[in-house]
Amino acid sequence: DIQMTQSPSSLSASVGDRVTITCRASETISFFLNWYHQKPGKAPKLLIYGASSLQSGVPSRFTGSGFGTDFTLTISSLQPEDFATYYCQQTYSTPSFGGGTKVEIK
Amino acid sequence: EVQLVESGGGLVQPGGSLRLSCAASGFTLSNHWMHWVRQAPGKGLVWVSGINTDGSSTIYADSVKGRFTISRDNAKNTLYLQMNTLRGEDTAVYYCTRPWNFGNYWYFDVWGRGTLVTVSS
Repeated sequence: DIQMTQSPSSLSASVGDRVTITCRASETISFFLNWYHQKPGKAPKLLIYGASSLQSGVPSRFTGSGFGTDFTLTISSLQPEDFATYYCQQTYSTPSFGGGTKVEIK
Repeated sequence: EVQLVESGGGLVQPGGSLRLSCAASGFTLSNHWMHWVRQAPGKGLVWVSGINTDGSSTIYADSVKGRFTISRDNAKNTLYLQMNTLRGEDTAVYYCTRPWNFGNYWYFDVWGRGTLVTVSS
């Protein structure tokens, strides 16, 4: 099974900050990497698929990059509605998620 | 409106059984693989199981293999998860989710609200 490791597990940031979250796969997964965010009590919502493709309706301040085993999600200017927990997911094989990164208000 | 609604969660004793249902509306269930994902309280997302369009192929996480059974009734637009020999570590919100293919890629694009399963004596 492919293990997904996210870092950091949590971070504190202010509105307007640039935020970067990383995700590492235990073996190569090509571009088969998705990013979701989740707010408390809600279901996850897709942000990025195929490592760098923005899901329809998702603001352009979200960017994904990477290939193989190392991936990043960048929020260019953090907005109040972006405080949430972020998960990466690989779909190269049986799907698996990273442990999550909680983005909190500084 | 495309929607998934889970039901069947509740409190069950260790070693007990529970059957979850997921009712789909707004799309044709038989056109899609379907999956279950769970989330223990305060923890991350964990994929549990998936089933192909006609139910002939199923996949499971190692942690539930041999104890959980995923199935579907396309005529009723419903997905199921039969959970047997439940353990405390199965306590979680269980989400059903629909995968969507875009070219070579796929992702979970529709999620239910989840149903809480609590395993405790």
